[in-house]
Amino acid sequence: AQSVSQHNHHVILSEAASLELGCNYSYGGTVNLFWYVQYPGQHLQLLLKYFSGDPLVKGIKGFEAEFIKSKFSFNLRKPSVQWSDTAEYFCAVKSPGTYKYIFGTGTRLKVLA
Amino acid sequence: DVKVTQSSRYLVKRTGEKVFLECVQDMDHENMFWYRQDPGLGLRLIYFSYDVKMKEKGDIPEGYSVSREKKERFSLILESASTNQTSMYLCASSLPGTAYYEQYFGPGTRLTVT
Repeated sequence: AQSVSQHNHHVILSEAASLELGCNYSYGGTVNLFWYVQYPGQHLQLLLKYFSGDPLVKGIKGFEAEFIKSKFSFNLRKPSVQWSDTAEYFCAVKSPGTYKYIFGTGTRLKVLA
Repeated sequence: DVKVTQSSRYLVKRTGEKVFLECVQDMDHENMFWYRQDPGLGLRLIYFSYDVKMKEKGDIPEGYSVSREKKERFSLILESASTNQTSMYLCASSLPGTAYYEQYFGPGTRLTVT
C-alpha cells in the first residue's frame, strides 16, 4: 500500500529563517504530489502540486517544492519564513487512475516573531 | 471560488446517538470525500463518492456510513456514536475522474462524543 512520511512533526523557526519540510512516499509508479496548508482555525488549502514536467514547482506565498523521483521525495521549501506561516503542513500523494489521496501525518510549523 | 460547507463547526453528542454530518459543495464536483483528522495521524479517508448514489470505503469505514442522494451533498452518518469517534471531520470535493485534480476542503466539524 502507498504511504507518505513526513519526518518532521514539529518545527520551530525564527522569522527570516529558511524552511525545508520533508516528504517521502512509497509508491514507485507515476504519482501526483500535493502540499496543503492548514492555518490555525482555517480549512485546508492547496499550496502547490506536481503532476508532470519541471520537477521544481512554485506555489502560493513564496513556497516551492522539488520532486526528486530517485529519492521518492517532494520536499517543501521557503527561503525566508514569516510569522504568518505558522500552520500545519500536509503532504499528499495520488496515483493517476485512483480516487484516493494519501496524506502524511502533517508537520506543525511555529514561526517566532 | 469553490465553496465546501459543513453543517456544524462544533458538535457534542452522547454515546449511542445517531449522528449526521452534512457537507455541501457548490462547484458541481463529482468526487466527494470524508476524512477524519487526528493529531499525529494526519488525514484518514473514511468514505468517498465519485457520483450520486455511488460510494466506496476508504481506509477506516468501520462505524460509519454515507449517503449521496444529490450531487452537491455528501452526508456522513455515525450509526451509534462512540467515544473513539471524537475527532475533527473534514469533507472535501474534487473534479471528476481520477486525474491530478486537487481537493477542496470544508472548514471541518469538531465532534465530541461523551
